[in-house]
Amino acid sequence: EAQVTQNPRYLITVTGKKLTVTCSQNMNHEYMSWYRQDPGLGLRQIYYSMNVEVTDKGDVPEGYKVSRKEKRNFPLILESPSPNQTSLYFCASSLDSYNEQFFGPGTRLTVL
Amino acid sequence: GENVEQHPSTLSVQEGDSAVIKCTYSDSASNYFPWYKQELGKRPQLIIDIRSNVGEKKDQRIAVTLNKTAKHFSLHITETQPEDSAVYFCAASTSVGDYGGSQGNLIFGKGTKLSVKP
Repeated sequence: EAQVTQNPRYLITVTGKKLTVTCSQNMNHEYMSWYRQDPGLGLRQIYYSMNVEVTDKGDVPEGYKVSRKEKRNFPLILESPSPNQTSLYFCASSLDSYNEQFFGPGTRLTVL
Repeated sequence: GENVEQHPSTLSVQEGDSAVIKCTYSDSASNYFPWYKQELGKRPQLIIDIRSNVGEKKDQRIAVTLNKTAKHFSLHITETQPEDSAVYFCAASTSVGDYGGSQGNLIFGKGTKLSVKP
């Protein structure tokens, strides 16, 4: 089944404790992206990757890191999480940003 | 960079009526405009998209129109049903460069919560 998976789905953590949210797709898509969703602010792009070893900042990259060592995986890293990073995070993949994006199920992160 | 404005933020209609959601964008180079539907507690899913070489596209009860001169595009839902109740997002992307023509930055509007009353 073609899909985008994210783990964990829910996470409660404390300020400053490094965490990684994994994202994997099995559709051989070159393009992958991370978004955060906050009430009233819609979906805001954090980082995107157009191919292996190619990553670029989106609109809200501060406090986040990503890597794209393999085509299927695009982990989101929070080196020192803060409460303002409490949000719902979505990973997505597609052929490129000019085609349908397939979203993962989302990760709800709470930083205390 | 690109900025996408979406209106209204909430929309309530009676079942069977039509619903229209409008978006404006700032970057005249944008040429791909998708619409996503997000039901409560679920992930966004594409419902329709349009590219700048087309002025209108229809898929059953859903249509999207694009006015490149005015830099706005709209989603039209006819004969609304309760299952159309969801949050709808518009987005804009610019196609340039080497990777099959995609720049990579997809900018979303803030969303419209549509409620269809039975």
